[in-house]
Amino acid sequence: AQKVTQAQTEISVVEKEDVTLDCVYETRDTTYYLFWYKQPPSGELVFLIRRNSFDEQNEISGRYSWNFQKSTSSFNFTITASQVVDSAVYFCALSEVGNTGKLIFGQGTTLQVKP
Amino acid sequence: DAGVIQSPRHEVTEMGQEVTLRCKPISGHNSLFWYRQTMMRGLELLIYFNNNVPIDDSGMPEDRFSAKMPNASFSTLKIQPSEPRDSAVYFCASSPRGGDLLLFGPGTRLTVL
Repeated sequence: AQKVTQAQTEISVVEKEDVTLDCVYETRDTTYYLFWYKQPPSGELVFLIRRNSFDEQNEISGRYSWNFQKSTSSFNFTITASQVVDSAVYFCALSEVGNTGKLIFGQGTTLQVKP
Repeated sequence: DAGVIQSPRHEVTEMGQEVTLRCKPISGHNSLFWYRQTMMRGLELLIYFNNNVPIDDSGMPEDRFSAKMPNASFSTLKIQPSEPRDSAVYFCASSPRGGDLLLFGPGTRLTVL
C-alpha cells in the first residue's frame, strides 16, 4: 500500500535559520511522482515541486532545495535562511504513474518561522 | 492563465440542506479531483475524473455525496442532506493527465450547522 509519512508535526525556527522537513514514503511501484505543496495561513494549496522516481538529482530553487534518496525512500525539503513568509503547513505527496492518479498526502508539517 | 476556479469560497448551511460545490478546471487538463481536508483526517481524495468519466470514487464517504462532470470545464460535488460532520474544506484540483501534476483551486470552506 502507498503511504507518506511526515514525522515532524510542528517545527519552530527563528528567521534566517535553515530547516529541513522530512518525508518518507512507501510504494510497491517502480514509477511514481513525489510532490511538495505549501499551505499558507490563507488556506490554498500551492504546488512547489514534482520529482519523477527515475530522477534522483537534487534540486535547488532559490532558498528551497530537495533531497531525493530512493535507497531510503525519502524526499526531504530544506529551506535555507528561513523567512517569516515561509510559515505554513507543508505537505509531501506520492502519486503512482499508471495508477488511477490518486495523490496520497502525508499529514503535513507545520512550520513556524519567528522573527 | 486562470487557475482552478471554485465556488462558493465559503458556504454556511444548516443540517439537512443540500449543498452544491462547483469547480472549473484549468483549460486543457484532462483529469479532475475532489479532495476534502479536515483536522482529523487530513487531505483525502473523494473522487477522480478522467476525461469527464469518474474513475475512482472509493473515497466518497456515503450516498449523500455525489459528483458529476458534465463537460470538460465543469464539475459539481453535491451533498444531500448535509450533516455537521461534513464541515471541511473541499478542494478541487486538475491535472494535464492523471496524477502527473495536480494544481489545486482555492477551496470551499463548508460549515454545516
